[in-house]
Amino acid sequence: QSVLTQPPSASGTPGQRVTISCSGGSSNIGSNTVNWFQQLPGTAPKLLIYSNDQRPSGVPDRFSGSKSGNTASLTISGLQAEDEADYYCAAWGDSLSGYVFGTGTKVTVL
Amino acid sequence: EVQLVESGGGLVQPGGSLRLSCAASGFTFSSYSINWVRQAPGKGLEWVSYISSSSSTIYYADSVKGRFTISRDNAKNSLFLQMNSLRAEDTAVYYCAKDPFGVGATSFDYWGQGTLVTVSS
Repeated sequence: QSVLTQPPSASGTPGQRVTISCSGGSSNIGSNTVNWFQQLPGTAPKLLIYSNDQRPSGVPDRFSGSKSGNTASLTISGLQAEDEADYYCAAWGDSLSGYVFGTGTKVTVL
Repeated sequence: EVQLVESGGGLVQPGGSLRLSCAASGFTFSSYSINWVRQAPGKGLEWVSYISSSSSTIYYADSVKGRFTISRDNAKNSLFLQMNSLRAEDTAVYYCAKDPFGVGATSFDYWGQGTLVTVSS
């Protein structure tokens, strides 16, 4: 059972900005760094954002992350057709809950 | 090039056992923590287990605690997941994922392609 809550879906037309929220608590997002993963259909997840707002090499700069308190956000600026995928936030919880993923958000490009 | 290749998945009856392997290459395996993550068909991602670089720190999700055992062989660049007392709800694609930072800042910068475990009679 996920303890990080995301909206189930988000959508936009090409070029629009889309923001996905990730709501957690003081024991996970509030205490640890947040990561975001992109999963294209039929493929393994890919790291999109780490340490709240850092992009790995090769990730387009239209993807950005932020964190405030117990909530994190992923923003896609300039939505493109190839961005249609599932997106998951994640963070370390504690020694009892371990690492926790968000519920996932399906992004559709209209 | 970093590569993680899982193997060992398959069809197993409820109550049975299975051992998954993850072969790593392209990086200094002994320097990094590794995790298992699973995804049930049509569902979201679920973290399963964490093992530190030296095997000194291990964590499990509550859903598998007492049934699954994670281990690694740094000499052979390999990660394992021994799964016992399997249940239908363990049916999923199992991924191994490299963690560049460790507990507290855990992230998964490289993933394998996954191996499918199906628990059914």
